[in-house]
Amino acid sequence: AQKITQTQPGMFVQEKEAVTLDCTYDTSDQSYGLFWYKQPSSGEMIFLIYQGSYDEQNATEGRYSLNFQKARKSANLVISASQLGDSAMYFCAMREGFGTNAGKSTFGDGTTLTVKP
Amino acid sequence: DAGITQSPRYKITETGRQVTLMCHQTWSHSYMFWYRQDLGHGLRLIYYSAAADITDKGEVPDGYVVSRSKTENFPLTLESATRSQTSVYFCASSESSGTLYEQYFGPGTRLTVT
Repeated sequence: AQKITQTQPGMFVQEKEAVTLDCTYDTSDQSYGLFWYKQPSSGEMIFLIYQGSYDEQNATEGRYSLNFQKARKSANLVISASQLGDSAMYFCAMREGFGTNAGKSTFGDGTTLTVKP
Repeated sequence: DAGITQSPRYKITETGRQVTLMCHQTWSHSYMFWYRQDLGHGLRLIYYSAAADITDKGEVPDGYVVSRSKTENFPLTLESATRSQTSVYFCASSESSGTLYEQYFGPGTRLTVT
C-alpha cells in the first residue's frame, strides 16, 4: 500500500531564508509521481511542483525545488528565499501509475510552515 | 465559470439526514475524486471515477455514495449523515491516470453535522 509520511507537523523559517519540508514515501510500484501542494489559510489547494519516478534531475519551479532521493524514498520540498506569503500548510502526495492503485493519490498529513518577518 | 466548482460551499445538517455535495468541472477531465480533510490533517480519498459510469472506492468510502452519469459532474451523497462526517470535502479532477498529471481541486465544501 502506498504511504506518505511528513514528520514535521510545524516549521518556522525567517523571511528570506531557505527551508526544507520533509517527505518520505512507500510504494512497491516502479512508476509513480510525487507532488507538493500548498494550502493557505483560505483553504484552497494549490499545485506547486511535480517529480516523476523516472526523472533523473530534481524538479524546480521558481523558488520551489524538489530534492528527490529515490533510494531513500524521499521527496523533500525546498523553498528558497521564503516570503511571508509562503506561510501555509504543505502537503506531499504520491500517485501510482499501474496496478490497482493506478490514478489514485495518497496524501501526507501536511506540514504547517510559518514565515517570520 | 471555467474550472472546478463545488456547491454548496457551506452546509449544516442534522444527524440522519441525506446530503448531496455537488462537483462540476469544465475541462472534460476523465478522472474525478472526492476527498475529506479533517481538522489539522491531510486528505483522505473517499471515491474516485475514471470516466462516466465508472467509479471505485477509495480509503474511506463507508457512508458515502457517488454517481457519474456525465463526465463533468461527480456528486457525493451522504446517505444518513453522522457527526463523524463533519469535515471539509474537496472535489478534484485530473486529465488522466498518468503519474505526471496533477489534480485540480475545487474550493471545498465545509460540512457540519449536528
